[in-house]
Amino acid sequence: AQSVAQPEDQVKVAEGNPLTVKCTYSVSGNPYLFWYVQYPNRGLQFLLKYITGDNLVKGSYGFEAEFNKSQTSFHLKKPSALVSDSALYFCAVRHSVSGATNKLIFGTGTLLAVQP
Amino acid sequence: NAGVTQTPKFQVLKTGQSMTLQCAQDMNHEYMSWYRQDPGMGLRLIHYSVGAGITDQGEVPNGYNVSRSTTEDFPLRLLSAAPSQTSVYFCASRTGTQGANVLTFGAGSRLTVL
Repeated sequence: AQSVAQPEDQVKVAEGNPLTVKCTYSVSGNPYLFWYVQYPNRGLQFLLKYITGDNLVKGSYGFEAEFNKSQTSFHLKKPSALVSDSALYFCAVRHSVSGATNKLIFGTGTLLAVQP
Repeated sequence: NAGVTQTPKFQVLKTGQSMTLQCAQDMNHEYMSWYRQDPGMGLRLIHYSVGAGITDQGEVPNGYNVSRSTTEDFPLRLLSAAPSQTSVYFCASRTGTQGANVLTFGAGSRLTVL
């Protein structure tokens, strides 16, 4: 079955510390992977994506993600967290079944809390 | 450039009432979609469209209808609202009809069904 998992409902880090938000996926073939962020009472905003190429992808606001095919993971990282990074983060993977490739499968979201 | 505009932002309905959530985009995007967001469930796809006159079902289509008469508009209709449809609804669009491109989301519509 096609799926994406975010194992942590919430991640807490201190400002200035590195942060990691975890994501694992299960799709056949080569995955198209995305991270989106949702600030309170707002719609989702795109952060970064992996389609092909370098396994380390850089995105908006200093975020990056590492694609690991053997571990089927696409963890979101930032070297130094800011209080303003506090938000809900969603991992998503494109459905790979023929005829369904225009659909995105979203994870359940991880709430990131950066403490001053 | 307004992006994706959703109306209304908030709505309270009684069980059995009908309503339409409006979605409009001004980016000439071929693909438009509706998601619902529920705590612990993430975002689930309700319906989507790859162009005017073409719609298809997502993961949770029951209780919802859509139509796409123009490129710009993709309304979501609840014909007989149920408390299980209490949720936050997001409209999203993108260029192209394959999944490599980035979705642009509206600000959301919060619906409560009593």
